[in-house]
Amino acid sequence: DGGITQSPKYLFRKEGQNVTLSCEQNLNHDAMYWYRQDPGQGLRLIYYSQIVNDFQKGDIAEGYSVSREKKESFPLTVTSAQKNPTAFYLCASSSSGTGLRSNQPQHFGDGTRLSIL
Amino acid sequence: SQKIEQNSEALNIQEGKTATLTCNYTNYSPAYLQWYRQDPGRGPVFLLLIRENEKEKRKERLKVTFDTTLKQSLFHITASQPADSATYLCALPTSGTYKYIFGTGTRLKVLA
Repeated sequence: DGGITQSPKYLFRKEGQNVTLSCEQNLNHDAMYWYRQDPGQGLRLIYYSQIVNDFQKGDIAEGYSVSREKKESFPLTVTSAQKNPTAFYLCASSSSGTGLRSNQPQHFGDGTRLSIL
Repeated sequence: SQKIEQNSEALNIQEGKTATLTCNYTNYSPAYLQWYRQDPGRGPVFLLLIRENEKEKRKERLKVTFDTTLKQSLFHITASQPADSATYLCALPTSGTYKYIFGTGTRLKVLA
Protein backbone atom coordinates (compact mmCIF):
# COMPACT_ATOMS: atom_id res chain seq x y z
CA ASP A 1 0.00 0.00 0.00
CA GLY A 2 1.20 3.50 -0.77
CA GLY A 3 1.69 5.92 2.02
CA ILE A 4 3.99 7.82 4.31
CA THR A 5 6.08 6.12 6.97
CA GLN A 6 7.44 8.03 9.91
CA SER A 7 9.88 6.50 12.36
CA PRO A 8 10.35 6.09 15.18
CA LYS A 9 6.90 6.50 16.70
CA TYR A 10 8.41 7.64 20.01
CA LEU A 11 11.76 9.35 20.47
CA PHE A 12 13.59 10.68 23.49
CA ARG A 13 16.24 13.34 23.37
CA LYS A 14 18.87 14.15 25.92
CA GLU A 15 19.93 17.71 26.56
CA GLY A 16 22.40 18.95 23.96
CA GLN A 17 21.67 16.08 21.58
CA ASN A 18 20.60 16.22 17.96
CA VAL A 19 17.99 13.70 16.85
CA THR A 20 16.73 12.83 13.38
CA LEU A 21 13.16 11.91 12.50
CA SER A 22 12.64 9.79 9.42
CA CYS A 23 9.96 10.32 6.78
CA GLU A 24 9.63 8.11 3.71
CA GLN A 25 6.87 8.14 1.07
CA ASN A 26 6.12 5.80 -1.82
CA LEU A 27 3.36 7.93 -3.32
CA ASN A 28 5.67 9.45 -5.93
CA HIS A 29 4.82 12.89 -4.57
CA ASP A 30 7.06 15.83 -5.36
CA ALA A 31 6.20 17.97 -2.34
CA MET A 32 6.93 17.05 1.28
CA TYR A 33 6.37 18.93 4.53
CA TRP A 34 7.19 18.81 8.22
CA TYR A 35 4.75 20.10 10.83
CA ARG A 36 4.83 20.38 14.57
CA GLN A 37 1.67 19.88 16.62
CA ASP A 38 1.36 21.03 20.22
CA PRO A 39 -1.69 20.55 22.46
CA GLY A 40 -4.31 23.22 21.78
CA GLN A 41 -2.45 24.54 18.74
CA GLY A 42 -2.84 23.96 15.06
CA LEU A 43 -0.21 22.35 12.91
CA ARG A 44 2.73 24.67 12.39
CA LEU A 45 4.94 24.34 9.34
CA ILE A 46 8.63 23.74 10.02
CA TYR A 47 10.07 23.09 6.54
CA TYR A 48 8.77 22.11 3.15
CA SER A 49 10.28 20.87 -0.08
CA GLN A 50 8.77 21.03 -3.54
CA ILE A 51 11.49 19.14 -5.40
CA VAL A 52 14.60 17.12 -4.69
CA ASN A 53 17.59 19.11 -3.44
CA ASP A 54 15.44 22.14 -2.62
CA PHE A 55 13.60 23.13 0.55
CA GLN A 56 12.27 26.26 2.23
CA LYS A 57 11.78 27.36 5.81
CA GLY A 58 8.31 27.38 7.25
CA ASP A 59 7.05 29.46 10.14
CA ILE A 60 9.09 27.83 12.93
CA ALA A 61 12.31 26.59 11.28
CA GLU A 62 14.69 27.76 14.00
CA GLY A 63 16.42 24.83 15.69
CA TYR A 64 15.54 22.41 12.90
CA SER A 65 17.25 21.24 9.71
CA VAL A 66 16.20 19.07 6.78
CA SER A 67 17.59 17.48 3.64
CA ARG A 68 15.93 16.27 0.45
CA GLU A 69 18.46 14.10 -1.38
CA LYS A 70 15.86 11.65 -2.65
CA LYS A 71 12.28 12.15 -3.77
CA GLU A 72 11.08 9.54 -1.31
CA SER A 73 12.82 10.83 1.79
CA PHE A 74 12.66 14.05 3.83
CA PRO A 75 14.38 13.59 7.22
CA LEU A 76 14.07 16.24 9.93
CA THR A 77 16.85 16.89 12.44
CA VAL A 78 15.92 18.50 15.73
CA THR A 79 19.08 20.21 16.87
CA SER A 80 20.19 21.13 20.37
CA ALA A 81 19.35 24.73 19.44
CA GLN A 82 15.65 23.86 19.61
CA LYS A 83 14.97 24.62 23.26
CA ASN A 84 11.43 23.28 23.42
CA PRO A 85 11.40 20.20 21.18
CA THR A 86 8.75 18.20 23.02
CA ALA A 87 5.91 17.84 20.52
CA PHE A 88 4.18 15.61 18.00
CA TYR A 89 5.90 15.84 14.61
CA LEU A 90 4.01 15.13 11.42
CA CYS A 91 5.36 14.61 7.94
CA ALA A 92 3.15 15.08 4.88
CA SER A 93 3.38 14.89 1.13
CA SER A 94 1.28 16.03 -1.80
CA SER A 95 1.34 15.45 -5.52
CA SER A 96 2.99 17.94 -7.88
CA GLY A 97 5.80 20.32 -7.11
CA THR A 98 3.27 23.08 -6.53
CA GLY A 99 1.07 21.05 -4.24
CA LEU A 100 0.08 23.97 -2.06
CA ARG A 101 -1.14 25.96 -5.05
CA SER A 102 -2.74 23.11 -6.90
CA ASN A 103 -5.14 22.34 -4.02
CA GLN A 104 -3.99 18.75 -3.82
CA PRO A 105 -4.65 17.21 -0.42
CA GLN A 106 -1.80 16.50 1.92
CA HIS A 107 -1.15 12.90 2.94
CA PHE A 108 0.18 12.57 6.47
CA GLY A 109 2.23 9.98 8.28
CA ASP A 110 1.28 8.83 11.76
CA GLY A 111 3.76 11.08 13.48
CA THR A 112 6.71 10.89 15.84
CA ARG A 113 6.28 11.96 19.44
CA LEU A 114 9.49 13.53 20.73
CA SER A 115 10.14 13.97 24.43
CA ILE A 116 13.03 15.29 26.50
CA LEU A 117 14.76 13.04 29.00
CA SER B 1 -2.42 38.69 9.87
CA GLN B 2 -4.35 35.73 8.52
CA LYS B 3 -6.19 33.76 11.16
CA ILE B 4 -8.32 30.65 11.20
CA GLU B 5 -10.55 29.74 14.12
CA GLN B 6 -12.29 26.55 15.09
CA ASN B 7 -14.23 25.98 18.27
CA SER B 8 -11.66 24.58 20.66
CA GLU B 9 -14.31 23.18 22.97
CA ALA B 10 -15.33 19.59 22.40
CA LEU B 11 -18.66 18.92 20.77
CA ASN B 12 -20.72 16.09 22.24
CA ILE B 13 -23.77 14.86 20.34
CA GLN B 14 -26.05 11.87 20.44
CA GLU B 15 -25.72 9.11 17.88
CA GLY B 16 -27.95 9.67 14.87
CA LYS B 17 -27.93 13.47 15.16
CA THR B 18 -26.20 15.87 12.79
CA ALA B 19 -22.89 17.31 13.95
CA THR B 20 -21.99 20.78 12.71
CA LEU B 21 -18.48 22.14 13.04
CA THR B 22 -17.39 25.69 12.22
CA CYS B 23 -14.27 27.13 10.63
CA ASN B 24 -13.94 30.93 10.55
CA TYR B 25 -11.14 32.88 8.97
CA THR B 26 -10.10 36.53 8.86
CA ASN B 27 -7.90 38.79 6.73
CA TYR B 28 -7.97 36.30 3.97
CA SER B 29 -9.73 35.24 0.75
CA PRO B 30 -8.74 31.63 0.09
CA ALA B 31 -9.35 29.97 -3.25
CA TYR B 32 -10.32 26.76 -1.47
CA LEU B 33 -10.58 25.13 1.92
CA GLN B 34 -9.88 21.60 3.11
CA TRP B 35 -11.22 19.49 5.98
CA TYR B 36 -9.25 16.73 7.68
CA ARG B 37 -10.00 14.15 10.36
CA GLN B 38 -7.43 13.32 13.03
CA ASP B 39 -7.64 10.42 15.47
CA PRO B 40 -5.57 10.40 18.69
CA GLY B 41 -1.92 9.62 18.03
CA ARG B 42 -2.44 9.54 14.26
CA GLY B 43 -1.83 11.94 11.40
CA PRO B 44 -4.69 13.90 9.82
CA VAL B 45 -6.60 12.26 6.97
CA PHE B 46 -8.00 14.36 4.14
CA LEU B 47 -11.80 14.36 3.87
CA LEU B 48 -13.07 17.10 1.57
CA LEU B 49 -11.99 20.12 -0.43
CA ILE B 50 -14.33 22.95 -1.39
CA ARG B 51 -13.48 25.76 -3.79
CA GLU B 52 -14.52 29.39 -3.42
CA ASN B 53 -17.01 29.09 -6.30
CA GLU B 54 -18.70 26.07 -4.71
CA LYS B 55 -21.36 26.71 -2.11
CA GLU B 56 -21.65 23.12 -0.99
CA LYS B 57 -19.82 19.80 -1.35
CA ARG B 58 -21.04 16.37 -0.28
CA LYS B 59 -19.41 13.00 0.27
CA GLU B 60 -21.55 10.23 1.72
CA ARG B 61 -22.69 11.52 5.16
CA LEU B 62 -20.40 14.55 5.02
CA LYS B 63 -21.35 18.00 3.79
CA VAL B 64 -19.22 21.11 3.64
CA THR B 65 -20.38 24.65 2.90
CA PHE B 66 -18.23 27.65 2.09
CA ASP B 67 -19.53 31.20 2.57
CA THR B 68 -16.92 33.66 1.33
CA THR B 69 -19.03 36.61 2.48
CA LEU B 70 -19.18 35.39 6.07
CA LYS B 71 -15.65 33.97 5.76
CA GLN B 72 -16.89 30.73 7.16
CA SER B 73 -17.05 27.03 6.35
CA LEU B 74 -19.43 24.60 8.03
CA PHE B 75 -18.74 20.88 8.21
CA HIS B 76 -21.73 18.60 8.77
CA ILE B 77 -21.86 14.90 9.60
CA THR B 78 -25.37 13.53 9.26
CA ALA B 79 -26.61 10.41 11.04
CA SER B 80 -23.53 10.57 13.24
CA GLN B 81 -22.00 7.39 14.65
CA PRO B 82 -19.60 6.75 17.55
CA ALA B 83 -16.97 5.93 14.92
CA ASP B 84 -17.15 9.56 13.78
CA SER B 85 -15.60 10.63 17.10
CA ALA B 86 -12.34 12.39 16.27
CA THR B 87 -10.80 15.84 15.91
CA TYR B 88 -11.69 17.67 12.72
CA LEU B 89 -9.30 20.25 11.26
CA CYS B 90 -9.85 22.84 8.59
CA ALA B 91 -6.97 24.11 6.48
CA LEU B 92 -6.50 27.07 4.14
CA PRO B 93 -3.71 27.87 1.70
CA THR B 94 -2.16 31.18 2.66
CA SER B 95 -2.12 33.92 0.07
CA GLY B 96 1.17 34.66 -1.66
CA THR B 97 3.05 31.78 -0.08
CA TYR B 98 3.34 28.02 -0.35
CA LYS B 99 1.95 27.38 3.09
CA TYR B 100 -1.23 26.13 4.69
CA ILE B 101 -2.74 27.42 7.88
CA PHE B 102 -4.44 24.74 9.96
CA GLY B 103 -7.07 25.40 12.58
CA THR B 104 -6.60 24.00 16.06
CA GLY B 105 -9.36 21.49 15.38
CA THR B 106 -12.65 20.67 17.07
CA ARG B 107 -12.97 17.42 18.96
CA LEU B 108 -16.22 15.63 18.25
CA LYS B 109 -17.58 12.90 20.49
CA VAL B 110 -20.63 10.95 19.35
CA LEU B 111 -22.41 9.31 22.26
CA ALA B 112 -24.06 5.92 21.77
